[in-house]
Amino acid sequence: GAGVSQSPRYKVAKRGQDVALRCDPISGHVSLFWYQQALGQGPEFLTYFQNEAQLDKSGLPSDRFFAERPEGSVSTLKIQRTQQEDSAVYLCASSDGETQYFGPGTRLLVL
Amino acid sequence: QKEVEQNSGPLSVPEGAIASLNCTYSDRVSQSFFWYRQYSGKSPELIMSIYSNGDKEDGRFTAQLNKASQYVSLLIRDSQPSDSATYLCAVNAISGAGSYQLTFGKGTKLSVIP
Repeated sequence: GAGVSQSPRYKVAKRGQDVALRCDPISGHVSLFWYQQALGQGPEFLTYFQNEAQLDKSGLPSDRFFAERPEGSVSTLKIQRTQQEDSAVYLCASSDGETQYFGPGTRLLVL
Repeated sequence: QKEVEQNSGPLSVPEGAIASLNCTYSDRVSQSFFWYRQYSGKSPELIMSIYSNGDKEDGRFTAQLNKASQYVSLLIRDSQPSDSATYLCAVNAISGAGSYQLTFGKGTKLSVIP
């Protein structure tokens, strides 16, 4: 069956631009997570949704980061006024229990 | 602060040998433990999950968990060049907000030499 999909796969942004990253979870998965993976590091938790409710946003690094999942399926991670330190791979994962399945990620480069 | 520690490697083993990957974690209430494989430029792929003390085998992979020592390991038997990747150890504990967020180690880079 279809896995988690993300778009765009690559994004180059000029410093100060806003970006929006999309995640399509596995159909029927209630839980959705966003992670940030810097080069040479493991993924780090950003935020968690259960259906449309954002239950945990403790990992968002600043108020420039915003995530939503208005209908409980597709989610969007928005980064406002991007900075160079935002350059990373942004991974989305969905789950129907304890196992999380990852999408291919969006590689963001801020120049 | 929950921490997961792994030796970053690189760990080099000859083809056909056993590769041993180790991980320690700091949070005693951690409940579930996962090994993900990540090829360069790709997303993490689940290899093994383990929830109780002891060994769990799946094909050439064996996960071992010792909660008293806060230690989890992954053994790969008959290592193949296609096993060359970064292996991420991840620990899952329900947060105060009710989410099973994963805490990852930095990963161990494995290189299997033909």
